Amino acid sequence: DAGVTQSPTHLIKTRGQQVTLRCSPKSGHDTVSWYQQALGQGPQFIFQYYEEEERQRGNFPDRFSGHQFPNYSSELNVNALLLGDSALYLCASSLGTGKNEQYFGPGTRLTVT
Amino acid sequence: GDSVTQMEGPVTLSEEAFLTINCTYTATGYPSLFWYVQYPGEGLQLLLKATKADDKGSNKGFEATYRKETTSFHLEKGSVQVSDSAVYFCALKNQAGTALIFGKGTTLSVSS
Repeated sequence: DAGVTQSPTHLIKTRGQQVTLRCSPKSGHDTVSWYQQALGQGPQFIFQYYEEEERQRGNFPDRFSGHQFPNYSSELNVNALLLGDSALYLCASSLGTGKNEQYFGPGTRLTVT
Repeated sequence: GDSVTQMEGPVTLSEEAFLTINCTYTATGYPSLFWYVQYPGEGLQLLLKATKADDKGSNKGFEATYRKETTSFHLEKGSVQVSDSAVYFCALKNQAGTALIFGKGTTLSVSS
């Protein structure tokens, strides 16, 4: 049973560029949430996708956008990258949008130079 | 808004010592409470959870009790091992059940 997978593992971008991160949920899960974890901090909620729609959003600017595909996989896009966007981006999947447990992937380490 | 506060680290212990990591929360209603662990270079793993007052979550020798009267969910383990060295995060999920809200994490280092 495959868990949550994310790609790429690491990437380096330059300020002003755009980046796309990908996530495949755990088998049987239909909901994907994205979190940003800055160095030495706890993860912060970016947004959640269910039924291909953004269901809830955290306190992140519109430069952060996402998409969910019919197979429940998801993408996180960040435009006009800033140095402060350097972080570990974590994807979590769950079944439904309620209190079911969220399972996390290993993350994508983004470095903006 | 909802928030989680956990004790500052790092916490440095010798093998077989007793561990306590304090966690308190602020939330409306009755949130679910969680402890996650992050090993170096890895994502988060759920360690234990509790969904209502007085529930005790336990796993791998770790335990935590949901105390509504003190809004706390302290993590304890009677005898730590070197393999327990990691960063521990306390988190809550509010009644809407959507986002997890995390504390800043506590680094635990156990030496033999």
